[in-house]
Amino acid sequence: AQKITQTQPGMFVQEKEAVTLDCTYDTSDQSYGLFWYKQPSSGEMIFLIYQGSYDEQNATEGRYSLNFQKARKSANLVISASQLGDSAMYFCAMRGRPGGGNKLTFGTGTQLKVEL
Amino acid sequence: GAVVSQHPSWVICKSGTSVKIECRSLDFQATTMFWYRQFPKQSLMLMATSNEGSKATYEQGVEKDKFLINHASLTLSTLTVTSAHPEDSSFYICSASRVYGTNEKLFFGSGTQLSVL
Repeated sequence: AQKITQTQPGMFVQEKEAVTLDCTYDTSDQSYGLFWYKQPSSGEMIFLIYQGSYDEQNATEGRYSLNFQKARKSANLVISASQLGDSAMYFCAMRGRPGGGNKLTFGTGTQLKVEL
Repeated sequence: GAVVSQHPSWVICKSGTSVKIECRSLDFQATTMFWYRQFPKQSLMLMATSNEGSKATYEQGVEKDKFLINHASLTLSTLTVTSAHPEDSSFYICSASRVYGTNEKLFFGSGTQLSVL
């Protein structure tokens, strides 16, 4: 079974600062994928970044980067230069083997608030 | 980029009626779609996996006769909440899987807020 743990129910960060959202996972799969999604108050789920278990380099997408530490089973999201529009709920998720339509397992989420 | 359209975005219905929610992949074919349920301030819980041309795979504890899923084409999956009751009130969200070579991305619809009176 797969499990995602997000230990930070809420986080505050000042505008223009960087923030790290924690995510640890547990799986017996050798091949898996890790995702981060943003959910604003409107409810939609916005894909941010993806890391494959065999990817040697940490994924980056603009201001988002994923600090992937495979031995520690952690996949923390780093948001640089925070903006007010980054205030939202953030979910870490995991999927088993790539392809094949495998389901996502979500963490409980972290509510991020960006302040002036 | 890929877009998944979900309709309606919100619906209010009377107890005992049925409600249909549509999930469409607008510019790609999705052989697999997923349906999630989310209670306020909680995470997304997978309800079922919808496979084009075959029966949906339901997660443990999800009543397949209550939550009917139809994936009749490569771009459309529907979730029908039959004989809805107030406890079915929730946020329902779908996602569609798109394969890019050896990579795969999941795109989500904008969700449907269901309120059963």
